[in-house]
Amino acid sequence: SYLLTQSPSVSVAPGETATLTCGGIKIGDKSVHWYQQKPGQAPALVIYYDSDRPSGIPERFSGANSGDTATLTVSRVEAGDEADYYCQVWDSNSDPDHPVFGGGTKLTVL
Amino acid sequence: EVQLVETGGGLIQPGESLRLSCAVSGFNVRGTFMSWVRQAPGKGLEWVSVIYGDGRAFYRDSVKGRFSLSRDTSKNSLDLQISSLTSEDTAVYYCARDVRGLGRTGRGYWYFDLWGRGTLVTVSS
Repeated sequence: SYLLTQSPSVSVAPGETATLTCGGIKIGDKSVHWYQQKPGQAPALVIYYDSDRPSGIPERFSGANSGDTATLTVSRVEAGDEADYYCQVWDSNSDPDHPVFGGGTKLTVL
Repeated sequence: EVQLVETGGGLIQPGESLRLSCAVSGFNVRGTFMSWVRQAPGKGLEWVSVIYGDGRAFYRDSVKGRFSLSRDTSKNSLDLQISSLTSEDTAVYYCARDVRGLGRTGRGYWYFDLWGRGTLVTVSS
């Protein structure tokens, strides 16, 4: 099964920029999606197809994907951005083909 | 309102069975790809099962033969029958709507645009 690697934690001060990474072999050949999960809540989609934002997601959230690393960038971080963030791809080479999640990154706002 | 509501979780003993349900509102479950994703306490997300628009269901290896996913079009809902449970199955189980296709750059995609709030299954003696 395809493996995605995320740093366990990232800490930033309010107003700064948080960069969360998601590593995988040739992940640039895949579409990457990102979810935000606040404590006690269900995950919510914040980025799909590498860099597209669902309706209602602020422009402060952006994504990129190339080579072996996908990136979620949160600009002008706010206290309300504190959450766990998961990257996800489609492992189309497995049987059955299925979605795969990274281990998650906890974003702490100092 | 478009929403998913899971029910059926609880405390259950090892080896026993449980049926989880996902009530769908705002769209038709028929023809929609839907998945179950679980999250063990303090852990990450793990895909469990998918049901295709044509009704075929697929499972991750660790639950194959023990879990069975079906849909009830009359109730517009999903049912996940889980059996031979072990402590490894303890988790919050989320119902999610799949979005699948081929993107503008030719890469396929599969992600989840709608999630329920989840239902907790605790397997313990």
